[in-house]
Amino acid sequence: RKEVEQDPGPFNVPEGATVAFNCTYSNSASQSFFWYRQDCRKEPKLLMSVYSSGNEDGRFTAQLNRASQYISLLIRDSKLSDSATYLCVVNTRAGNTPLVFGKGTRLSVIA
Amino acid sequence: GAGVSQSPSNKVTEKGKDVELRCDPISGHTALYWYRQSLGQGLEFLIYFQGNSAPDKSGLPSDRFSAERTGGSVSTLTIQRTQQEDSAVYLCASSLDTGYQETQYFGPGTRLLVL
Repeated sequence: RKEVEQDPGPFNVPEGATVAFNCTYSNSASQSFFWYRQDCRKEPKLLMSVYSSGNEDGRFTAQLNRASQYISLLIRDSKLSDSATYLCVVNTRAGNTPLVFGKGTRLSVIA
Repeated sequence: GAGVSQSPSNKVTEKGKDVELRCDPISGHTALYWYRQSLGQGLEFLIYFQGNSAPDKSGLPSDRFSAERTGGSVSTLTIQRTQQEDSAVYLCASSLDTGYQETQYFGPGTRLLVL
């Protein structure tokens, strides 16, 4: 089983739609979790960290289910500018250590 | 403030030549990471520097790859005798040394093409 798995998509959704991405991770000892966003031919940028209690940032909501070892990202009221690849990222060791990236889920928001 | 910078932004080389890729982390960041991303693939960890500790080289794919970090700041990734499969985007990231959920900030990457 791969360390971090995501549905590659693409997800093609109309503006205003709600879309959800899931991600599973294999290491039950994983410590911290993130969603990064990567635009075409650009570097990844942190979208949001994922906390055990779940967290929300505007139109974005992240959830963590440790028992089932999955992470989700919900995007409400999709905008054209949300079109990007969303990377599920897990830190399998304590503190600042190399991150393990999923291959990403591609989202296209269509007018 | 200034982010992570990398140079060159693009590099085309011939098979068998050596290349050097440079990374300038954010000032004050003690942790520095190298990753690479091949076409259609996820990011692959290569090497990690943390302060004055010995680097974590567990991700280097072969002994043709090496990296150093001078003075706790600038890092250079060297690929010797390049092969076509080394073609990828090489990304550098840095972070503060403050524990959990610490954000890694990425540079724009160096696109390497080995002909």
